Amino acid sequence: QITLMESGPTLVKPTQTLTLTCTVSGFSLSTNGVGVGWIRQPPGKALEWLALNYWDDDKRYIPSLKSRLTITKDTSKKQVVLIMTNMDPVDTATYYCVHRTLIGTTGIQHWGQGTLVTVSS
Amino acid sequence: EIVMTQSPATLSVSPGERATLSCRASQSVSSNLAWYHQKPGQAPRLLIYGASTRATGIPARFSGSGSGTEFTLTITSLQSEDFAIYYCQQYNLWPYTFGQGTKLEIK
Repeated sequence: QITLMESGPTLVKPTQTLTLTCTVSGFSLSTNGVGVGWIRQPPGKALEWLALNYWDDDKRYIPSLKSRLTITKDTSKKQVVLIMTNMDPVDTATYYCVHRTLIGTTGIQHWGQGTLVTVSS
Repeated sequence: EIVMTQSPATLSVSPGERATLSCRASQSVSSNLAWYHQKPGQAPRLLIYGASTRATGIPARFSGSGSGTEFTLTITSLQSEDFAIYYCQQYNLWPYTFGQGTKLEIK
């Protein structure tokens, strides 16, 4: 059974750096075709992909935020970390960790529960 | 980036009736299109991938069609649990993008 769990602060101040950790189980981060990424959703708004780290360490970032984002994975710890710098109130959103595969079910079958991050002074 | 446009923004349908939701891509995404629905306070749930393949555990009343730039999600015989927000998402080209959503509400 594949599960993903997000952890990190629920409140950050403007200009601070956000670090979110996704801890996975039920699969390996080195499995061929597998990627783990982050999607966010501001309150009442649509979903937005932020970053994705594939099994071969291919990393993708949304161009509009690329300068502020870093995604890394630690296969042995079964964790994927997202770092977002220079946080702003517009970054207030629920952040989801997701499992993506290039083989088989190519939509996002597995989502974390999401973590609401509020940016406020 | 590829822009996904969903229509209508809100759809009012009675239980037991059929709902048809549309999604248009600003350029071809082949069949690399997924549909999700989301209920308040929950993560989205995958319904359809590959434009027309139902995900595991999704009832047969959900069907997807289309390819290229035009896609449709059809839900026949709406059940109470189907009223939610529906999103389409392309994964043909990074950055993968979602539509703005269609809210399916009870008429």
